[in-house]
Amino acid sequence: DSGVTQTPKHLITATGQRVTLRCSPRSGDLSVYWYQQSLDQGLQFLIQYYNGEERAKGNILERFSAQQFPDLHSELNLSSLELGDSALYFCASSGQGSMHEQYFGPGTRLTVT
Amino acid sequence: QKEVEQDPGPLSVPEGAIVSLNCTYSNSAFQYFMWYRQYSRKGPELLMYTYSSGNKEDGRFTAQVDKSSKYISLFIRDSQPSDSATYLCAMSLVSGSARQLTFGSGTQLTVLP
Repeated sequence: DSGVTQTPKHLITATGQRVTLRCSPRSGDLSVYWYQQSLDQGLQFLIQYYNGEERAKGNILERFSAQQFPDLHSELNLSSLELGDSALYFCASSGQGSMHEQYFGPGTRLTVT
Repeated sequence: QKEVEQDPGPLSVPEGAIVSLNCTYSNSAFQYFMWYRQYSRKGPELLMYTYSSGNKEDGRFTAQVDKSSKYISLFIRDSQPSDSATYLCAMSLVSGSARQLTFGSGTQLTVLP
């Protein structure tokens, strides 16, 4: 158990809908990262927040957005969902003194029908 | 061409064998090199990380980085059936507090009893 929690574990929704994925980092970790894992694209970085502020952005679609709250939990919002958005979404966190050590949560499996 | 290339396998070895997993990369700015293990449909688990070139050993695992060749390796000694998983290499740049990971596609390993 990495100490990173994600909810929900599974999500099934229809095209065009909007969903919110939630992540709680390990106790004391200030950085939260979001990754998408699909069969054809592998594990891809989406976005990083550090203590509430956006720090790095990957190939995140404009339909996707994220934020980190004062209690350091983070949410990833996916809107206007398409079939191709079906994937595993992982959250990871890292500590201030060891930011290169990212610990992953169990993931949220999103299925868009 | 992808920034990080990894042979997807699958790789099948008998119990007790030495396993060699490799990745090549094209971005010479990468400074941190990680290996993750991912069991089916679970979150990636950090095994080891190395900063710049050199070797690092942890129990049955040894990570090697050769920055001059842009080549990293993970060796598993005395492999066990419980080592059967997908192994992902990952790399990161250092830019302030930004730490996005770039992953290889993963090598699927099966250790046969």
